[in-house]
Amino acid sequence: KNEVEQSPQNLTAQEGEFITINCSYSVGISALHWLQQHPGGGIVSLFMLSSGKKKHGRLIATINIQEKHSSLHITASHPRDSAVYICAGISNFGNEKLTFGTGTRLTIIP
Amino acid sequence: SQTIHQWPATLVQPVGSPLSLECTVEGTSNPNLYWYRQAAGRGLQLLFYSVGIGQISSEVPQNLSASRPQDRQFILSSKKLLLSDSGFYLCAFGQGSYEQYFGPGTRLTVT
Repeated sequence: KNEVEQSPQNLTAQEGEFITINCSYSVGISALHWLQQHPGGGIVSLFMLSSGKKKHGRLIATINIQEKHSSLHITASHPRDSAVYICAGISNFGNEKLTFGTGTRLTIIP
Repeated sequence: SQTIHQWPATLVQPVGSPLSLECTVEGTSNPNLYWYRQAAGRGLQLLFYSVGIGQISSEVPQNLSASRPQDRQFILSSKKLLLSDSGFYLCAFGQGSYEQYFGPGTRLTVT
């Protein structure tokens, strides 16, 4: 059974702080999505990672295939970064089903 | 460009009434299609996925069904809604490259 575990569940930080959210996953998962969900519910895919590291603006995502671990970092955090961040594992079978972590609710205080 | 449409955006339905949520994809062919649900206070869960017309796989036993009558159309249905069907429903598609694209979602409240 594919499993994805995410931590922390909730994170509150001051504006400007460096943020790290962690995700561990089980065998049967070959890649990961990092998703962002705002209060209205809409979901945006931030990154899809199968190896290495990706960067987009202040967001950085890394994945270690051997350790089955991924991290999402936010540099110079801003209140508009407040959202729920979700790690989702992609099945390595042809159907590419997603298994979701429970999400991290991030609140950045001005 | 590839786009995904989902409607309605919000829906309030009484218990026992039928349900039909529609999802359509543009700018791609033969996509993998997915229906996900997020119940209040809970994480996202895969309900159904389809790798082709008429091919539906169900992930969890439930009161819902899905159909794919056309290549880029995915429909989520119920004959009689339950209170527990309330939640946020997301349609998504993938192209076999591990990327997945999400629709705007439908917030369903069953009263």
